[in-house]
Amino acid sequence: GDSVTQMEGPVTLSEEAFLTINCTYTATGYPSLFWYVQYPGEGLQLLLKATKADDKGSNKGFEATYRKETTSFHLEKGSVQVSDSAVYFCALSPGTGRRALTFGSGTRLQVQP
Amino acid sequence: NAGVTQTPKFRILKIGQSMTLQCTQDMNHNYMYWYRQDPGMGLKLIYYSVGAGITDKGEVPNGYNVSRSTTEDFPLRLELAAPSQTSVYFCASSYRGGQGAGGANVLTFGAGSRLTVL
Repeated sequence: GDSVTQMEGPVTLSEEAFLTINCTYTATGYPSLFWYVQYPGEGLQLLLKATKADDKGSNKGFEATYRKETTSFHLEKGSVQVSDSAVYFCALSPGTGRRALTFGSGTRLQVQP
Repeated sequence: NAGVTQTPKFRILKIGQSMTLQCTQDMNHNYMYWYRQDPGMGLKLIYYSVGAGITDKGEVPNGYNVSRSTTEDFPLRLELAAPSQTSVYFCASSYRGGQGAGGANVLTFGAGSRLTVL
Protein backbone atom coordinates (compact mmCIF):
# COMPACT_ATOMS: atom_id res chain seq x y z
CA GLY A 1 0.00 0.00 0.00
CA ASP A 2 0.88 3.67 -0.05
CA SER A 3 3.36 4.96 2.50
CA VAL A 4 5.28 8.11 3.38
CA THR A 5 8.61 8.19 5.21
CA GLN A 6 9.95 11.34 6.84
CA MET A 7 13.18 12.07 8.62
CA GLU A 8 12.89 11.75 12.37
CA GLY A 9 12.99 14.81 14.54
CA PRO A 10 13.27 16.93 16.39
CA VAL A 11 15.24 19.19 14.09
CA THR A 12 16.78 22.07 16.03
CA LEU A 13 18.07 25.09 14.13
CA SER A 14 19.15 28.61 14.87
CA GLU A 15 17.21 31.48 13.38
CA GLU A 16 18.14 32.21 9.73
CA ALA A 17 19.55 28.72 9.19
CA PHE A 18 18.73 26.64 6.11
CA LEU A 19 16.10 23.95 6.55
CA THR A 20 15.66 20.61 4.80
CA ILE A 21 13.15 17.98 5.91
CA ASN A 22 13.37 14.82 3.85
CA CYS A 23 10.31 12.97 2.61
CA THR A 24 10.10 9.90 0.39
CA TYR A 25 7.03 7.99 -0.68
CA THR A 26 5.80 4.70 -2.06
CA ALA A 27 2.67 4.73 -4.18
CA THR A 28 1.21 3.29 -7.33
CA GLY A 29 0.20 5.54 -10.16
CA TYR A 30 0.59 9.29 -9.97
CA PRO A 31 -0.08 10.60 -6.47
CA SER A 32 -0.37 14.21 -5.38
CA LEU A 33 2.07 15.28 -2.65
CA PHE A 34 1.56 17.68 0.22
CA TRP A 35 3.23 19.31 3.18
CA TYR A 36 1.01 20.14 6.14
CA VAL A 37 2.09 22.10 9.21
CA GLN A 38 0.76 21.80 12.75
CA TYR A 39 1.39 24.66 15.16
CA PRO A 40 1.15 23.93 18.89
CA GLY A 41 -2.41 23.25 20.01
CA GLU A 42 -3.86 23.52 16.52
CA GLY A 43 -5.02 21.27 13.71
CA LEU A 44 -3.03 20.68 10.54
CA GLN A 45 -2.91 23.33 7.83
CA LEU A 46 -1.92 22.91 4.21
CA LEU A 47 1.50 24.46 3.61
CA LEU A 48 2.08 23.55 -0.04
CA LYS A 49 1.36 20.89 -2.61
CA ALA A 50 2.40 19.49 -5.98
CA THR A 51 0.19 17.42 -8.24
CA LYS A 52 2.59 16.09 -10.90
CA ALA A 53 6.23 15.26 -11.46
CA ASP A 54 8.66 18.21 -11.48
CA ASP A 55 6.04 20.56 -10.01
CA LYS A 56 7.35 22.87 -7.31
CA GLY A 57 5.03 23.84 -4.48
CA SER A 58 5.84 26.99 -2.54
CA ASN A 59 4.34 29.06 0.27
CA LYS A 60 5.66 31.36 3.03
CA GLY A 61 9.25 30.86 1.86
CA PHE A 62 8.98 27.06 1.93
CA GLU A 63 9.49 25.01 -1.23
CA ALA A 64 9.28 21.37 -2.25
CA THR A 65 9.77 19.74 -5.66
CA TYR A 66 7.96 16.57 -6.75
CA ARG A 67 10.75 14.21 -7.88
CA LYS A 68 9.26 11.08 -9.41
CA GLU A 69 12.63 9.54 -10.26
CA THR A 70 13.68 9.56 -6.59
CA THR A 71 10.11 9.36 -5.17
CA SER A 72 10.87 12.35 -2.97
CA PHE A 73 9.27 15.62 -1.90
CA HIS A 74 11.79 17.29 0.40
CA LEU A 75 10.78 20.49 2.19
CA GLU A 76 13.23 23.40 2.16
CA LYS A 77 13.43 26.95 3.46
CA GLY A 78 16.38 29.28 3.04
CA SER A 79 16.11 31.15 6.34
CA VAL A 80 13.94 29.85 9.18
CA GLN A 81 12.32 32.00 11.85
CA VAL A 82 11.28 31.22 15.42
CA SER A 83 7.66 31.36 14.21
CA ASP A 84 8.35 28.36 11.93
CA SER A 85 8.63 26.10 14.99
CA ALA A 86 5.96 23.44 14.42
CA VAL A 87 5.45 19.85 13.33
CA TYR A 88 5.64 19.26 9.58
CA PHE A 89 3.84 16.36 7.90
CA CYS A 90 4.46 15.02 4.43
CA ALA A 91 1.43 13.37 2.84
CA LEU A 92 0.25 11.84 -0.39
CA SER A 93 -3.09 11.33 -2.07
CA PRO A 94 -3.45 8.52 -4.59
CA GLY A 95 -4.02 9.39 -8.21
CA THR A 96 -7.29 7.49 -8.32
CA GLY A 97 -9.83 6.01 -5.96
CA ARG A 98 -10.07 7.00 -2.32
CA ARG A 99 -9.20 10.63 -1.66
CA ALA A 100 -8.00 10.27 1.91
CA LEU A 101 -4.42 11.31 2.55
CA THR A 102 -1.66 9.03 3.81
CA PHE A 103 0.59 10.90 6.25
CA GLY A 104 4.16 10.51 7.35
CA SER A 105 4.98 10.43 11.05
CA GLY A 106 5.77 14.14 11.23
CA THR A 107 8.99 16.05 11.93
CA ARG A 108 9.18 18.52 14.78
CA LEU A 109 11.14 21.68 14.00
CA GLN A 110 12.47 23.85 16.81
CA VAL A 111 14.00 27.19 15.84
CA GLN A 112 16.04 28.96 18.48
CA PRO A 113 16.61 32.75 18.49
CA ASN B 1 -16.26 31.40 8.69
CA ALA B 2 -16.12 28.49 11.16
CA GLY B 3 -14.60 25.81 8.88
CA VAL B 4 -14.44 22.47 10.72
CA THR B 5 -15.63 22.49 14.32
CA GLN B 6 -14.93 19.64 16.74
CA THR B 7 -16.32 19.11 20.23
CA PRO B 8 -15.29 18.44 22.91
CA LYS B 9 -11.69 19.68 22.92
CA PHE B 10 -10.75 17.51 25.89
CA ARG B 11 -12.38 14.49 27.51
CA ILE B 12 -11.40 11.88 30.07
CA LEU B 13 -13.22 8.55 29.94
CA LYS B 14 -13.19 5.48 32.10
CA ILE B 15 -12.62 2.07 30.50
CA GLY B 16 -15.88 0.75 29.07
CA GLN B 17 -17.63 4.12 28.82
CA SER B 18 -19.00 5.37 25.52
CA MET B 19 -18.97 8.79 23.94
CA THR B 20 -19.40 10.64 20.68
CA LEU B 21 -16.97 13.12 19.18
CA GLN B 22 -18.87 15.70 17.19
CA CYS B 23 -17.68 17.22 13.92
CA THR B 24 -19.44 19.87 11.83
CA GLN B 25 -18.30 21.72 8.73
CA ASP B 26 -19.94 24.71 7.08
CA MET B 27 -18.09 24.66 3.75
CA ASN B 28 -20.51 22.31 1.95
CA HIS B 29 -17.69 19.79 1.55
CA ASN B 30 -18.64 16.35 0.32
CA TYR B 31 -15.80 14.39 1.86
CA MET B 32 -15.21 14.09 5.58
CA TYR B 33 -12.62 12.13 7.54
CA TRP B 34 -11.64 11.08 11.03
CA TYR B 35 -7.97 10.63 11.88
CA ARG B 36 -6.23 9.80 15.10
CA GLN B 37 -2.81 11.13 15.99
CA ASP B 38 -0.59 9.16 18.32
CA PRO B 39 2.79 10.55 19.47
CA GLY B 40 5.47 9.97 16.86
CA MET B 41 3.08 7.97 14.69
CA GLY B 42 1.61 10.56 12.36
CA LEU B 43 -2.07 10.42 11.51
CA LYS B 44 -4.02 7.24 10.91
CA LEU B 45 -7.34 7.24 9.07
CA ILE B 46 -10.22 5.79 11.09
CA TYR B 47 -13.26 6.33 8.86
CA TYR B 48 -14.20 8.55 5.98
CA SER B 49 -17.30 9.56 4.06
CA VAL B 50 -17.75 10.70 0.46
CA GLY B 51 -21.24 12.09 1.04
CA ALA B 52 -24.36 11.88 3.18
CA GLY B 53 -25.35 8.29 3.79
CA ILE B 54 -21.99 6.85 2.63
CA THR B 55 -19.18 5.83 4.99
CA ASP B 56 -16.19 3.54 4.71
CA LYS B 57 -13.43 2.15 6.90
CA GLY B 58 -9.93 3.53 7.00
CA GLU B 59 -6.77 1.93 8.38
CA VAL B 60 -7.80 1.66 12.05
CA PRO B 61 -11.63 1.39 12.32
CA ASN B 62 -11.89 -1.17 15.13
CA GLY B 63 -13.63 0.18 18.23
CA TYR B 64 -15.27 3.09 16.38
CA ASN B 65 -18.46 3.79 14.47
CA VAL B 66 -19.55 6.70 12.31
CA SER B 67 -22.66 7.99 10.60
CA ARG B 68 -23.25 10.69 8.00
CA SER B 69 -26.91 11.69 7.96
CA THR B 70 -26.22 15.22 6.68
CA THR B 71 -23.53 16.89 4.59
CA GLU B 72 -22.46 19.01 7.56
CA ASP B 73 -22.09 16.44 10.37
CA PHE B 74 -19.83 13.42 10.80
CA PRO B 75 -19.85 12.17 14.42
CA LEU B 76 -17.42 9.50 15.65
CA ARG B 77 -18.73 7.05 18.24
CA LEU B 78 -16.65 5.08 20.75
CA GLU B 79 -18.81 2.31 22.23
CA LEU B 80 -16.51 0.67 24.80
CA ALA B 81 -13.57 2.93 25.51
CA ALA B 82 -10.18 1.26 25.94
CA PRO B 83 -6.79 2.74 26.96
CA SER B 84 -5.53 2.08 23.42
CA GLN B 85 -7.98 4.73 22.22
CA THR B 86 -6.17 7.45 24.15
CA SER B 87 -5.18 9.82 21.37
CA VAL B 88 -5.84 13.13 19.68
CA TYR B 89 -8.65 12.90 17.15
CA PHE B 90 -8.90 15.14 14.11
CA CYS B 91 -11.87 15.62 11.86
CA ALA B 92 -11.25 16.96 8.36
CA SER B 93 -13.21 17.73 5.24
CA SER B 94 -12.56 18.37 1.57
CA TYR B 95 -14.35 19.46 -1.56
CA ARG B 96 -15.28 16.93 -4.22
CA GLY B 97 -13.65 18.99 -6.96
CA GLY B 98 -10.47 18.34 -8.86
CA GLN B 99 -6.85 18.93 -8.03
CA GLY B 100 -7.05 22.70 -7.84
CA ALA B 101 -6.83 24.94 -4.79
CA GLY B 102 -10.16 23.69 -3.46
CA GLY B 103 -9.91 20.14 -4.70
CA ALA B 104 -10.70 16.86 -2.99
CA ASN B 105 -7.08 16.37 -2.02
CA VAL B 106 -6.86 19.55 0.07
CA LEU B 107 -8.11 18.83 3.57
CA THR B 108 -9.34 21.37 6.10
CA PHE B 109 -8.78 20.16 9.66
CA GLY B 110 -10.53 20.87 12.92
CA ALA B 111 -8.53 21.85 15.99
CA GLY B 112 -8.62 18.34 17.45
CA SER B 113 -10.15 16.50 20.40
CA ARG B 114 -7.82 15.10 23.05
CA LEU B 115 -9.24 11.91 24.57
CA THR B 116 -7.79 10.08 27.56
CA VAL B 117 -9.10 6.68 28.63
CA LEU B 118 -8.18 5.62 32.16
